[in-house]
Amino acid sequence: QKEVEQDPGPLSVPEGAIVSLNCTYSNSAFQYFMWYRQYSRKGPELLMYTYSSGNKEDGRFTAQVDKSSKYISLFIRDSQPSDSATYLCAMIASGTYKYIFGTGTRLKVLA
Amino acid sequence: DTGVSQNPRHKITKRGQNVTFRCDPISEHNRLYWYRQTLGQGPEFLTYFQNEAQLEKSRLLSDRFSAERPKGSFSTLEIQRTEQGDSAMYLCASSLGRVTGELFFGEGSRLTVL
Repeated sequence: QKEVEQDPGPLSVPEGAIVSLNCTYSNSAFQYFMWYRQYSRKGPELLMYTYSSGNKEDGRFTAQVDKSSKYISLFIRDSQPSDSATYLCAMIASGTYKYIFGTGTRLKVLA
Repeated sequence: DTGVSQNPRHKITKRGQNVTFRCDPISEHNRLYWYRQTLGQGPEFLTYFQNEAQLEKSRLLSDRFSAERPKGSFSTLEIQRTEQGDSAMYLCASSLGRVTGELFFGEGSRLTVL
């Protein structure tokens, strides 16, 4: 079993829809959680960075962490065709240095 | 601050040749990482530097791979005697490192081995 599991998709939604992207993990030591957006043939771009449980909002993006369920989510409101990309979750335990990534979910927002 | 810079962006080589990639991290970031990413997969950890010290090297890296970070600034990743299985995107990332912080990636160096 992988430490971080993420549905690879693809996920297709109409423009304006609310998108929910999720990751589950097995290592209870993870405390820092990140979401990255990666366009085709580009490097990952950091979208959200959260510590421990709770919610964090930035514009159309909301990150949620539920440590009790070992489950994290990224919500995208009013999705746009420019949001079409692969979304990667990543996490790391406090005091360590190795970031662990999910496989990424491919999202297509249809105009 | 121009972000993490990687060169070359794309390298095409023949099997058996050596290739070298360079990474310039964000200034003052003392942690530097190399990851490898293949199609449909997330980044896989290859190696990690704290300043100039290479603190971990993944067992994914055979002896043909070597990485350096002289003076704790830029880093190079060399692959000797390339094989077709080495074809991938090689990603460099850096973080500040005082606490467990955000990880910032470069645009990657894509290697194609013919």
